[in-house]
Amino acid sequence: IAGITQAPTSQILAAGRRMTLRCTQDMRHNAMYWYRQDLGLGLRLIHYSNTAGTTGKGEVPDGYSVSRANTDDFPLTLASAVPSQTSVYFCASGAVSGANVLTFGAGSRLTVL
Amino acid sequence: GQNIDQPTEMTATEGAIVQINCTYQTSGFNGLFWYQQHAGEAPTFLSYNVLDGLEEKGRFSSFLSRSKGYSYLLLKELQMKDSASYLCAVRDSNYQLIWGAGTKLIIKP
Repeated sequence: IAGITQAPTSQILAAGRRMTLRCTQDMRHNAMYWYRQDLGLGLRLIHYSNTAGTTGKGEVPDGYSVSRANTDDFPLTLASAVPSQTSVYFCASGAVSGANVLTFGAGSRLTVL
Repeated sequence: GQNIDQPTEMTATEGAIVQINCTYQTSGFNGLFWYQQHAGEAPTFLSYNVLDGLEEKGRFSSFLSRSKGYSYLLLKELQMKDSASYLCAVRDSNYQLIWGAGTKLIIKP
């Protein structure tokens, strides 16, 4: 693993189904983030975690949940997917201190039908 | 509310210079970032400004004026591989990043 790994790369999902997007980093960054990116809009923060064991809500948290059991993993769960959650999801991590430059995963393209 | 404005799309010619502007209104300021995002890929970090002035890094430079709520990214000697979206982001008083919608830069030969 080098940087951040997201899985799956792409997924088509029926509305109402549960889905977990996985994110793993190997840079020992304290902070991790989940964003969604939709055409014509900026990246929007869903949830974040400044350190293992803590999480916080971002700009668009409804319908999503996260956990941070350890430093490396930060899964995002859609409990009951809806079509408006069709988007590209990016996981990112940063060192918190200093400039906190973010490193992004390759993204997970999710389509909810 | 918090707002980041940047042009939706710009076109430039290979070998030329292009300036992408970003204006912001945020609750507090703790730094401004520029990221590059090629189509279908993840954003990658380009530059960071926290003090007024120009930061130069090879063919790319970024300028910040905090009093004007304004930044620009300057790309020199444009290459075809510079065709991408350029994202401006500001870190607010809560240390959260506020993102612009991005500027799609099209480079023509």
